[in-house]
Amino acid sequence: DAKTTQPTSMDCAEGRAANLPCNHSTISGNEYVYWYRQIHSQGPQYIIHGLKNNETNEMASLIITEDRKSSTLILPHATLRDTAVYYCIVSSRGTNAGKSTFGDGTTLTVKP
Amino acid sequence: NAGVTQTPKFQVLKTGQSMTLQCAQDMNHEYMSWYRQDPGMGLRLIHYSVGAGITDQGEVPNGYNVSRSTTEDFPLRLLSAAPSQTSVYFCASSYSKSRAADEQFFGPGTRLTVL
Repeated sequence: DAKTTQPTSMDCAEGRAANLPCNHSTISGNEYVYWYRQIHSQGPQYIIHGLKNNETNEMASLIITEDRKSSTLILPHATLRDTAVYYCIVSSRGTNAGKSTFGDGTTLTVKP
Repeated sequence: NAGVTQTPKFQVLKTGQSMTLQCAQDMNHEYMSWYRQDPGMGLRLIHYSVGAGITDQGEVPNGYNVSRSTTEDFPLRLLSAAPSQTSVYFCASSYSKSRAADEQFFGPGTRLTVL
């Protein structure tokens, strides 16, 4: 699986959009981008995933560049409860998605 | 659905003791994994299973054994606990053919301290 690079930490004001970047320059054609987050010491929680088109769900939006070498997770209106560590993972589908490599992620702090 | 459950929530062991961390899921997922997370770090894959009777090693398998006799359960055994195994252990499941979805669902974790 391709490796990812994320900033160590970011701050965001409450109510503003949080834009979390991820670089995955060695991504393969059949690999998807997945985002998870981990609030405090809980188990990670799935947020969203995509292949090459932009995706949106009730939690977030995922923007993937045309060359697929980077992506951005967007939390449109960040709240204090969005303070968490966010992990960007690249993996192929199916059984490979269950043996992902989690890096150190980005610690997002939402401030009042 | 209870999702992914893990027991115990907390455990303290002495060096050399053995124990089994339990993990169960009720989502009929084929895929299950064990990760460990050391303080301030990301998750590292210990072992995984793509179905009953099939297991394989992840990044950090030494000192741990697994078996998968049923789809629902995936216990992790520490053979002879060492202080380096002090960590938080997360179990995850994913991949249901009927849903063609593969996002991972994680349990609440077991916090293990080895003295």
